[in-house]
Amino acid sequence: GESVGLHLPTLSVQEGDNSIINCAYSNSASDYFIWYKQESGKGPQFIIDIRSNMDKRQGQRVTVLLNKTVKHLSLQIAATQPGDSAVYFCADDRGNAGGTSYGKLTFGQGTILTVHP
Amino acid sequence: DAGVIQSPRHEVTEMGQEVTLRCKPISGHNSLFWYRQTMMRGLELLIYFNNNVPIDDSGMPEDRFSAKMPNASFSTLKIQPSEPRDSAVYFCASSFVPGVTPNSPLHFGNGTRLTVT
Repeated sequence: GESVGLHLPTLSVQEGDNSIINCAYSNSASDYFIWYKQESGKGPQFIIDIRSNMDKRQGQRVTVLLNKTVKHLSLQIAATQPGDSAVYFCADDRGNAGGTSYGKLTFGQGTILTVHP
Repeated sequence: DAGVIQSPRHEVTEMGQEVTLRCKPISGHNSLFWYRQTMMRGLELLIYFNNNVPIDDSGMPEDRFSAKMPNASFSTLKIQPSEPRDSAVYFCASSFVPGVTPNSPLHFGNGTRLTVT
């Protein structure tokens, strides 16, 4: 029979361009957000995180923006390089109604980024 | 820092056989998570431990799956008997959860690719 898999959003950019990857989350109680990069044959790799008391955080060539009003998260990659080609996941920690969440994360479906030289 | 170490990297087995996947978390981390990744369903949380105690196993698909964490430096995920639909990449991840926010991000191993024929 026909197999149905996840249809991941894709983003194709030219080397040197800036990339913006978007993510929507559903739980207004989420207080911690992370972006991961997954290359073929490897596990997800931590890129950058942001807590709900912030709306922007910068790292090396990456910036995460958080808009709690519309429950939207974005990852901006400056001067994208071929080595940035991967699947990017956002994840959120939904907390535990005032208690500890133990670090449990819920992952989005991912976005495929392809960088052309 | 050796990171999260998983073994084996690849496992091919026949339907009905027992499969044991192993994980060594990062030293000092007190939460450990087992995820499964497939094209059909993406990243799914199976079970997680805090201080070696299972906290939530609601993601474990069936009684054929079991996980243990006998000490802070070792965990196993066992499938008995295995079935073809168990074929997936299984990831182990660890983090440090201090009991109050902020938590640290999950750090993933490179996974075990399981193929059940």
